[in-house]
Amino acid sequence: DAKTTQPTSMDCAEGRAANLPCNHSTISGNEYVYWYRQIHSQGPQYIIHGLKNNETNEMASLIITEDRKSSTLILPHATLRDTAVYYCIVRYSGGGADGLTFGKGTHLIIQP
Amino acid sequence: DVKVTQSSRYLVKRTGEKVFLECVQDMDHENMFWYRQDPGLGLRLIYFSYDVKMKEKGDIPEGYSVSREKKERFSLILESASTNQTSMYLCASSPWGEGGNQPQHFGDGTRLSIL
Repeated sequence: DAKTTQPTSMDCAEGRAANLPCNHSTISGNEYVYWYRQIHSQGPQYIIHGLKNNETNEMASLIITEDRKSSTLILPHATLRDTAVYYCIVRYSGGGADGLTFGKGTHLIIQP
Repeated sequence: DVKVTQSSRYLVKRTGEKVFLECVQDMDHENMFWYRQDPGLGLRLIYFSYDVKMKEKGDIPEGYSVSREKKERFSLILESASTNQTSMYLCASSPWGEGGNQPQHFGDGTRLSIL
């Protein structure tokens, strides 16, 4: 997996949008951007992924820059339950199963 | 929603015991994975399986084996538990998608302590 860079920690007020940045300047054309999060003492939770276009689901939105070198995960209305470590990774889209590798991620703290 | 269920959240075993960790998924996924997660070392792949009775070694298979007799169930076996196998164990599954573009979905993990 290509390397990603994320801030170590971020704060966000409850009810506001949380915007989590990720740099992946060496991403290849056939690699997807994935976001997972891990709440303390739980397993990682898949959030969203995308290749080129912006994506939205019931949890979040993913904005990928036109050159694909960076992306932003947006949690539109953050709640206290969104406090977690958020991991941005890039994954080859080719066939076959392979393991995930997480970096250190961003510790997002939602403040009441 | 995808459901990956691990048999135990917490488990305490003794050195030398044979330990079984069970994982069941309810989404008819082809791929299943076992990871361990340790502070400072991140997520490490132990074994994975892409079909019934098929298995592939991950990055750290030593001291472990796996079994996949049914599509929905993937078991991790510690043949002779040692204290350095104390860890959080995570099971995941994913469908076989076009180009391998499919997310993995995780269970809540089993925190295993070997005394």
